[in-house]
Amino acid sequence: NAGVTQTPKFQVLKTGQSMTLQCAQDMNHNSMYWYRQDPGMGLRLIYYSASEGTTDKGEVPNGYNVSRLNKREFSLRLESAAPSQTSVYFCASSERGQGVYEQYFGPGTRLTVT
Amino acid sequence: GESVGLHLPTLSVQEGDNSIINCAYSNSASDYFIWYKQESGKGPQFIIDIRSNMDKRQGQRVTVLLNKTVKHLSLQIAATQPGDSAVYFCAEMGIWGQNFVFGPGTRLSVLP
Repeated sequence: NAGVTQTPKFQVLKTGQSMTLQCAQDMNHNSMYWYRQDPGMGLRLIYYSASEGTTDKGEVPNGYNVSRLNKREFSLRLESAAPSQTSVYFCASSERGQGVYEQYFGPGTRLTVT
Repeated sequence: GESVGLHLPTLSVQEGDNSIINCAYSNSASDYFIWYKQESGKGPQFIIDIRSNMDKRQGQRVTVLLNKTVKHLSLQIAATQPGDSAVYFCAEMGIWGQNFVFGPGTRLSVLP
């Protein structure tokens, strides 16, 4: 049981390049999330998927697209990377159980855009 | 808009002492809160949660206190250990009901 996995762990992009961050969970959770974490700002929600086949914007969706490929996988795409997207990206999954909304996080992807 | 913030960005405590990490939130309609611990290079990890119909909840060496009157949350760690060194985030249930609004975090350093 690996929990939430993310690839790659590190990535350097040039401005204008595109890339896709991959996330997978093996806990059979319905909900999945993408956050970004910048120094001193905590985690901010980019997009989330409440269930397979649905996606919704979070607090900071501009410049990103997502795909909920199936119940296990939720990918985040940067179509044209900008230096402002330099950040650490976390994927998370959750399942409401007995009123607990615990989110399980992956190890993160550290992205630098030059 | 809603926001979650912390009073102290850094906290240093002696090993064995108790730690108290504070958090203020602004959305009085929030009814669920979680404390997360994040160690260097890792994703956040759930510590303890509390619903708005409770004032206090205890776990193993941790206690969360909720004061709805002043919209304040605190995390108490008893007998702080070196392994408790990390960044601690509070988070409140957001307006979408599916995600959380995170505060900026407090770094806890445990001194030998």
